[in-house]
This record gives sequence, C-alpha cells and structure tokens, in this order.
Amino acid sequence: KQEVTQIPAALSVPEGENLVLNCSFTDSAIYNLQWFRQDPGKGLTSLLLIQSSQREQTSGRLNASLDKSSGRSTLYIAASQPGDSATYLCAVNISNSGYALNFGKGTSLLVTP
Amino acid sequence: DAGITQSPRYKITETGRQVTLMCHQTWSHSYMFWYRQDLGHGLRLIYYSAAADITDKGEVPDGYVVSRSKTENFPLTLESATRSQTSVYFCASCRDSRSYEQYFGPGTRLTVT
Repeated sequence: KQEVTQIPAALSVPEGENLVLNCSFTDSAIYNLQWFRQDPGKGLTSLLLIQSSQREQTSGRLNASLDKSSGRSTLYIAASQPGDSATYLCAVNISNSGYALNFGKGTSLLVTP
Repeated sequence: DAGITQSPRYKITETGRQVTLMCHQTWSHSYMFWYRQDLGHGLRLIYYSAAADITDKGEVPDGYVVSRSKTENFPLTLESATRSQTSVYFCASCRDSRSYEQYFGPGTRLTVT
C-alpha cells in the first residue's frame, strides 16, 4: 500500500523566509504528484502537478521537485508571506484505484508578520 | 465556469437516517472520486468512477453507496448514517487518468448526531 508522509507536520516561519516542505512516498510507481493548499474550513486548491516524467514544476514563488527513484518531492516557497499560511498537502496518483490520489496528512504552515 | 459543485455544503442528520450528498461537474470529466477528510487520517478514498455506470470501491467504502447514471453527476449515499461518518466529504474529478490534475469541490461538512 502506498504510504505518503509529509515532514514537518507543522512549521512556523517569519515573513520573507524561504522554506521547503517535504513529501515522501513508498512506491515509486506513480503517474504524477500534486501539491495542494487548504485553508481552514475550505476546500483544496491545486498548486502544482508534476508528471512522473518531469523533475520539477514552477508557479510564481512556488517550485516543486520530484525524485521518483528515491520517492521524494519538495515544495519550495520563496519569500514567504502571511497569506501563505495554510495547510499544504502532497498527493500521489496511484494506479490501483482508478488513478485516485493518495494523500499525506499535510504540513500546517504559519507565516508570521 | 461552474466547475465542480457539491450540495449541501453543511448537513446535520441523525443516526440511522439515509443521506445523499450530491456532486456535479460541468467539464464532462471521465473520472470522479469521493474522499472523506478526518483529523488524524487525512483524506481517504471512498469510491471512484471511471465513466458513467462504472464505479468501484476505494479504501473506506463500508456504509456508502454511489451511482453514476450521467457523466456529470456522482451522488454519494449513506444508507444508514452512523456517528463515525461525521466528516468532511470532498468530490473530485479529472479529465484524464494519467496526466491531468484532479479538481476538488468545496466539500460537504456532515454531522451525524
């Protein structure tokens, strides 16, 4: 069974810092990996999708990398802002359940002014 | 661009009652999914559907029933609600199984008393 782990579970940083969120998965046979943002009491917003053949994707201040062979992904957030405060979820697309996503439990990020 | 919608957004029901959560997407995506989100467990797959009239179980299907008579709709029914089904339920869809992103609805917060 695919296990997805996110470290750290919680993170607090001062505004302006660059930060890295980590995601690891146990089975490298994935189709893609998606990073989401979830604000308290809200739904999931897709941030970045990395296909299995890709090494990284960038969107604005966000950069996600994928190392399939080692079962790792990182989400890099540059010049963090208080508005970045949210829970960040990593999910891998697995083949044995109609390509459903298998989620980590998330990293709760707080960016302080 | 309506995207993917869920109704109701909030629901309180009593133990033993039947409840149906609705999910509708306007993209004609082939794949649709139901997840539940609980503290300590993260998001887990309940059921998925690869196309109209094709459904299959996910990780936590017990106590739930789904149908998909039309591509755009994927209702989830709790046949006899239990307190353990108190959760936030998310519906998602994706156009293509391997490469494209999953898009999530806003969620339904269900409380079973």
